[in-house]
Amino acid sequence: EDQVTQSPEALRLQEGESSSLNCSYTVSGLRGLFWYRQDPGKGPEFLFTLYSAGEEKEKERLKATLTKKESFLHITAPKPEDSATYLCAVGPNTGGFKTIFGAGTRLFVKA
Amino acid sequence: GAVVSQHPSWVICKSGTSVKIECRSLDFQATTMFWYRQFPKQSLMLMATSNEGSKATYEQGVEKDKFLINHASLTLSTLTVTSAHPEDSSFYICSAPIVEQFFGPGTRLTVL
Repeated sequence: EDQVTQSPEALRLQEGESSSLNCSYTVSGLRGLFWYRQDPGKGPEFLFTLYSAGEEKEKERLKATLTKKESFLHITAPKPEDSATYLCAVGPNTGGFKTIFGAGTRLFVKA
Repeated sequence: GAVVSQHPSWVICKSGTSVKIECRSLDFQATTMFWYRQFPKQSLMLMATSNEGSKATYEQGVEKDKFLINHASLTLSTLTVTSAHPEDSSFYICSAPIVEQFFGPGTRLTVL
């Protein structure tokens, strides 16, 4: 069964305190692994797509990496405006665009 | 970038009335769109897949007669919540895929 597990459920950081969010997945075949940011009361905002193990992508203070079983979202020197819920999702390569989402990690960054 | 809009952004209605939510892909065509429901502090729950030119596919446990989906064109899908009740109050979000999914801003439905 295709599945996505994110940890931790919540993470509290001081401004400037770097950390990583984990996304463990099982999927029959990977079409892509996706990271999203969601602010309260808004739809998720697309961040990254990773396609194969070893791939890395960066955007500002965020860096996403991928292995065959996990993905990490590294946050370097976070700022309060990085506070949000980060969602990880996988797309099985079974045809179509269906995507399985994890429960998310709620990140709080304190000034 | 790919933009998806939703309308309305929020709606309050009386119990027993029907509410229609529109989802539009503004700068790309989408033969498939997805409808999600999200409760406070919970993740996205896929309700149904909207298919242009054919019937929607509903997830297990979702009442297709209550949540009517019409994919009217390659840029528009609508979700109608029929005979809404307070337990239908939630945040409804649509998405349209290119490779990854692009989400609308969501619609907050409150049923009194």
